[in-house]
Amino acid sequence: GGIITQTPKFLIGQEGQKLTLKCQQNFNHDTMYWYRQDSGKGLRLIYYSITENDLQKGDLSEGYDASREKKSSFSLTVTSAQKNEMAVFLCASSILLGTSQNTLYFGAGTRLSVL
Amino acid sequence: GQQVQQSPSSLVLQEGENAELQCNFSSTATQLQWFYQSPGGSLVSLLSNPSGTKHTGRLTSTTVTKERRSSLHISSSQTTDSGTYLCAIEGNNRIFFGDGTQLVVKP
Repeated sequence: GGIITQTPKFLIGQEGQKLTLKCQQNFNHDTMYWYRQDSGKGLRLIYYSITENDLQKGDLSEGYDASREKKSSFSLTVTSAQKNEMAVFLCASSILLGTSQNTLYFGAGTRLSVL
Repeated sequence: GQQVQQSPSSLVLQEGENAELQCNFSSTATQLQWFYQSPGGSLVSLLSNPSGTKHTGRLTSTTVTKERRSSLHISSSQTTDSGTYLCAIEGNNRIFFGDGTQLVVKP
């Protein structure tokens, strides 16, 4: 088995601040994802990456940057935190995007609050 | 892009009752997954079922690909089943989530 580790678990920022969230996986999966979840809502895709140094925009990429430095890690940057913003950011990985064998595995999430 | 609709949005049951959750999607799907999200927030994959019927424990999922719908049946619900159930559809190399069904099982 493997694990996805997200750091930090909780992140408190100031309005306008640049904030970075990190994700590490030891599944040796090719594809990694960043999702945002607002209270009571489903997940919305921010960025995904199908291999090292690849980046693909999701539906919610505006206001975010991402970086796939190596196969096992995928980081997300909030370029300018919005006042009163509260959300959970979830990192996931999978092995075979585009096939019926593909299965997503998630980290525990980073909870963001902006003062 | 893919639209994923889950129903009902919330469901309250007495322990021992069965639950039926629905997921409808707008375009062809290569993969469909059901997830459980605990009140604390972590997501766990329950079943992958792009077509047909699959069972695991008290869970049964039936996906009718031509009709673009899937169901998740939970038999003999327990209080520990309380949480949010999310359906995720993969198509055209993208994965889309529904808003979930919030299940509360009362003792």
